[in-house]
Amino acid sequence: DAKTTQPPSMDCAEGRAANLPCNHSTISGNEYVYWYRQIHSQGPQYIIHGLKNNETNEMASLIITEDRKSSTLILPHATLRDTAVYYCIVRDQSNTGNQFYFGTGTSLTVIP
Amino acid sequence: KAGVTQTPRYLIKTRGQQVTLSCSPISGHRSVSWYQQTPGQGLQFLFEYFSETQRNKGNFPGRFSGRQFSNSRSEMNVSTLELGDSALYLCASTEGPTSPLHFGNGTRLTVT
Repeated sequence: DAKTTQPPSMDCAEGRAANLPCNHSTISGNEYVYWYRQIHSQGPQYIIHGLKNNETNEMASLIITEDRKSSTLILPHATLRDTAVYYCIVRDQSNTGNQFYFGTGTSLTVIP
Repeated sequence: KAGVTQTPRYLIKTRGQQVTLSCSPISGHRSVSWYQQTPGQGLQFLFEYFSETQRNKGNFPGRFSGRQFSNSRSEMNVSTLELGDSALYLCASTEGPTSPLHFGNGTRLTVT
């Protein structure tokens, strides 16, 4: 079962920052938070992941609260190509396998 | 490096037939996972292979099976196809337990 809760949909104006929230209140100490996005009919694309520190890469920033019960993905300057479904996933680092539980995600629409 | 490659991209089969899907992981990745995506159930984990051994299995009937070869390439097989097996089947590979999954663009299976 998915361990995360996300709003089903969000809009963002082109050029503005898109802030996508995720709730993971049952997260445990060794579980990482991963973000993926999926454009229609393509495979999910990896964006960023983190454990407890904020992370930034060329695509986005990930802000994780101090209690680690929620996080926010920030796309600093949204473009039309960022329109996609965004998935927040909590993954247990210690398990021997690589099973990701995808929830229903947030459908982000970037508006011109 | 080349990404995860899945073949074929599209497939149409008839109820009762069987189908084999193929996945070539990113070079050097030894873990390969398979996911099923449908509009009603979202992304669901099928199974994971590592070094030719199934390491994890999701909650799917025995009609769904897979294998991994010594070069890490993987195949999944669905026997006695049902209409409900129509879905996008996604393959993902990863370097290790704390590394992100990298997905292919999937095989779109339609069962008529």
